[in-house]
Order: sequence, then C-alpha cells, then structure tokens
Amino acid sequence: KAGVTQTPRYLIKTRGQQVTLSCSPISGHRSVSWYQQTPGQGLQFLFEYFSETQRNKGNFPGRFSGRQFSNSRSEMNVSTLELGDSALYLCASSIIQGAADTEAFFGQGTRLTVV
Amino acid sequence: GNSVTQMEGPVTLSEEAFLTINCTYTATGYPSLFWYVQYPGEGLQLLLKATKADDKGSNKGFEATYRKETTSFHLEKGSVQVSDSAVYFCALGTVGNEKLTFGTGTRLTIIP
Repeated sequence: KAGVTQTPRYLIKTRGQQVTLSCSPISGHRSVSWYQQTPGQGLQFLFEYFSETQRNKGNFPGRFSGRQFSNSRSEMNVSTLELGDSALYLCASSIIQGAADTEAFFGQGTRLTVV
Repeated sequence: GNSVTQMEGPVTLSEEAFLTINCTYTATGYPSLFWYVQYPGEGLQLLLKATKADDKGSNKGFEATYRKETTSFHLEKGSVQVSDSAVYFCALGTVGNEKLTFGTGTRLTIIP
C-alpha cells in the first residue's frame, strides 16, 4: 500500500509569490491534515479536511488556505509569501476524522524556502 | 487548551545506554498519547501510542506508560542503538479535536 505522497519535495520561491503544495493520502483515508514544522515553533497545526470540508483550522493568517478533492487528495496554498513561511510542510492522513486514537500517517514533507 | 511539554534536547548517548525522554501534558478531556519519530529527511512515523490511563505502548524496544496521576508519558528504551538517532516527538489527541498537539521534539544522537 502506497504511503502519503507529497509533491514537490523541495521548493524555492521569492517573497510575494504564491505556492501550492499537494498531498495524496493513503488509499481509503478520508482525513488529511497539514502541519508546518520550523526550528523555532516546532510542529504547528494548519488545518484538517474530511470529505472535502475543512473541519478544523489552526492559528495561521488567511494567506494559508487549502482544499480537498473528491478523491481525498488535498492541496494547500500560501499567497504573498513571506520569509517566515520557510518551513517543512507536512501532510498527514488518517482513515476517519476526529478520533483521538486514530493513527496519522505522515508524508515526507515539502521543504519550502522563501528568498 | 491542550499542550505537551517535552524534554529539551539534544540528547547524546553511547550505544547500549538507557534512554529516557520526558513528556508531560495538559489536556481537556481524555487524551490519547503518542510518540512519533522523525529520521533525517523524513516525515514523522508513529512509534507507539496509548489510549487510556495505565496503558503501555511499546514498539522496537521503546516503551511508554500513560500516567494520568502525573500527566506523563515518558519514553524509555533499555539499550539504544546508533540507528535510533532521530528526533522524537510526544503528542496528544483528544476526542472531538481533529488535530494532534506536539511537543517541541527531542533530538537524540547515539554514538558508537
């Protein structure tokens, strides 16, 4: 069974640009969550999608958005990039939404560098 | 709200040493507790979990016991190997909350 696939693995963008990251969850998984990982802030929750609906959102500005498609694939978009957006963006999928003991499977992440 | 406090790193040990990484939590409701591991250049992998008080999670020689009275979930291993070098994250999830709350991570380096 294929794992969680994130594309691209690495990305370099200029301040002010926008970027779209993609995540394909494990087949059969309907919940996709996004996290931002930085050395200073650690792992911060961005948002979670289930059945094409955003179910929960972290404390990030409106420049960060996402969506989920009918095949459960998800994209996140960051507009008007800032230097501070440089981070590893991790996607996690799980079978169902909101269950505290459900294992989340993480992708390898997309390393975004803003210059 | 939910929070996880994790032992600061980095931690450096010799091979075959005993490992403890401390983790305490604050949570509303009844959390499930997790340890995730991140190897260099990789995403996070679930190492072990416990879903209720006094449960012990174990995997690959690692163990952690859910202690409700001390709100702790310390990670232990009796004899570490060089291949255990990674960053370890303690995390919690609560019913009705769709996100995991992570600790800051502990970088572990094992030297031969």
